[in-house]
Amino acid sequence: EVQLVQSGAEVKKPGESLKISCKGSGYSFTSYWIGWVRQMPGKGLEWMGIIYPGDSDTRYSPSFQGQVTISADKSISTAYLQWSSLKASDTAMYYCARLSGDSSGYYLDYWGQGTLVTVSS
Amino acid sequence: SSELTQDPAVSVALGQTVRITCQGDSLRSYYASWYQQKPGQAPVLVIYGKNNRPSGIPDRFSGSSSGNTASLTITGAQAEDEADYYCNSRDSSGNHLGVFGGGTKLTVL
Repeated sequence: EVQLVQSGAEVKKPGESLKISCKGSGYSFTSYWIGWVRQMPGKGLEWMGIIYPGDSDTRYSPSFQGQVTISADKSISTAYLQWSSLKASDTAMYYCARLSGDSSGYYLDYWGQGTLVTVSS
Repeated sequence: SSELTQDPAVSVALGQTVRITCQGDSLRSYYASWYQQKPGQAPVLVIYGKNNRPSGIPDRFSGSSSGNTASLTITGAQAEDEADYYCNSRDSSGNHLGVFGGGTKLTVL
């Protein structure tokens, strides 16, 4: 059974750093891209970026380039999303998801349960 | 990058058919995928590719595409189908990224 299990909720202060995780199981972790998706309170889904754990090739959506860092440790089948200096506007639910598909289109077929990040002074 | 446009809200009477649409230039080149999200839950893939349903998704859900518009159709909507629905497509920039539509809130009356 394919599963993506994310780390637990976090409460942080502005300016603090944070790294959240997404552990995959039940499939070849190095053979699929993993995507990170942001959902701000009461808002829609936003594509942040993707990583290919096989070689750590990483792509960022323009809005998130320079704002976050996506990484992966294939030895433990885990992808990460990190911030060096959090802002209140980073308060959101963050999902990881497995990317499948081909040249005709991609889709996110398995999702983590989400990690709620709250940034407040 | 690309943009995908969805109607913010749609309603349907119980047991009737409803179509949720998604428009964007990238849909001329790539299939859309559709996600259902209920309050407090992670999104769930309901349609992908030309018209494919993951295991466990009822066959009342179907997808279609024409030109720059992709559609998700629910034939015989049930109360449990009330949710937010998001379309997604591959970004036409070629960097393997994607883009989501703004979402459609479906109300089953």
